[in-house]
Amino acid sequence: ETGVTQTPRHLVMGMTNKKSLKCEQHLGHNAMYWYKQSAKKPLELMFVYNFKEQTENNSVPSRFSPECPNSSHLFLHLHTLQPEDSALYLCASSRGQENQPQHFGDGTRLSIL
Amino acid sequence: GQNIDQPTEMTATEGAIVQINCTYQTSGFNGLFWYQQHAGEAPTFLSYNVLDGLEEKGRFSSFLSRSKGYSYLLLKELQMKDSASYLCAVKDSNYQLIWGAGTKLIIKP
Repeated sequence: ETGVTQTPRHLVMGMTNKKSLKCEQHLGHNAMYWYKQSAKKPLELMFVYNFKEQTENNSVPSRFSPECPNSSHLFLHLHTLQPEDSALYLCASSRGQENQPQHFGDGTRLSIL
Repeated sequence: GQNIDQPTEMTATEGAIVQINCTYQTSGFNGLFWYQQHAGEAPTFLSYNVLDGLEEKGRFSSFLSRSKGYSYLLLKELQMKDSASYLCAVKDSNYQLIWGAGTKLIIKP
């Protein structure tokens, strides 16, 4: 139990579907992150929110749309994804963004048909 | 560009010692992290180094040399449950985490 919960754990969707990934943290942290993890590649930072405000968007395609309604919840809305978007999507949170470690959820394994 | 290098895979024997190296080239340095990730699970924080030297935490130790852009994670008295991927990450001058691709550690009986 890491204190960061992601749902669903697995998701299979077609390229024309719309779905959302959910992340919730129970650690009282103020920063939340979305990462993409592909096999044998470094973690790719997608979005960063600090006190509900987006502070980073690492050139992520618009078919990925984040939402952060409060400091405990983070969503990733998915629309018209491509096969190369199949990956493990990890959510993380931290107390601040400087030297505090990030705490990760177990991720959502996404497969695009 | 920014780069973190670590071996793709290592094999070690139960009860032995293994050292996983990480070299980095980043724009600035604000600390280095090691994480452990078991297959299908979340990465979990192991250690943080910001000053040169060795940090020891039970069976695990992490070393940093900022002048050489080098760190290692030392695992002693290896157990089967230590089979996992080990991720090295560096915070750059903007406090953004730059990640290595991870080292898959296989422990054999």
